[in-house]
Amino acid sequence: GDSVTQMEGPVTLSEEAFLTINCTYTATGYPSLFWYVQYPGEGLQLLLKATKADDKGSNKGFEATYRKETTSFHLEKGSVQVSDSAVYFCALWAGNDMRFGAGTRLTVKP
Amino acid sequence: KAGVTQTPRYLIKTRGQQVTLSCSPISGHRSVSWYQQTPGQGLQFLFEYFSETQRNKGNFPGRFSGRQFSNSRSEMNVSTLELGDSALYLCASSLPGGDEQYFGPGTRLTVT
Repeated sequence: GDSVTQMEGPVTLSEEAFLTINCTYTATGYPSLFWYVQYPGEGLQLLLKATKADDKGSNKGFEATYRKETTSFHLEKGSVQVSDSAVYFCALWAGNDMRFGAGTRLTVKP
Repeated sequence: KAGVTQTPRYLIKTRGQQVTLSCSPISGHRSVSWYQQTPGQGLQFLFEYFSETQRNKGNFPGRFSGRQFSNSRSEMNVSTLELGDSALYLCASSLPGGDEQYFGPGTRLTVT
């Protein structure tokens, strides 16, 4: 079935460092792809989405491009802040439900 | 616009008991989905309701059930609780036909 695989964490970066969290997907069609973020003690927040190949989703300095040829949707940010510390989930919409990756914990140190 | 709300936020139950969790979706959202989040299994889909009908169900035992009311509010019930049911239960709502899901803060269930 449709699924996503994302890089194992945890990831620890210094403030203002460049962030990449890898995500690849397996799907029979071309599902919408998402990144969600979960801050401690909270639910998931939609960070960005892309609905078709070559679409770029962006929000709050984060970006991800839907790459059909590599079946990837990597999350990037040019300069992380301490407030970006959270768990990030890659996900795809399988038509009736959302399929999530295992999550990547990001810690940003001052 | 108010977000998805879930009550209660925290619950402690004893093995063998049953529990009911509640979810109020964003106004205008008629689809409600439930997910279980655990450290070992991650986020797993439980079921989805639309217009008071269960449209889709994940791979969970029959002890997990749900329902949706005419105002789109949803409840999920877990009977005969097991220690392994300890988890964060997340509710998400979306517009009809939409693929963007908006999540509530979750209910943290601890089974002792």
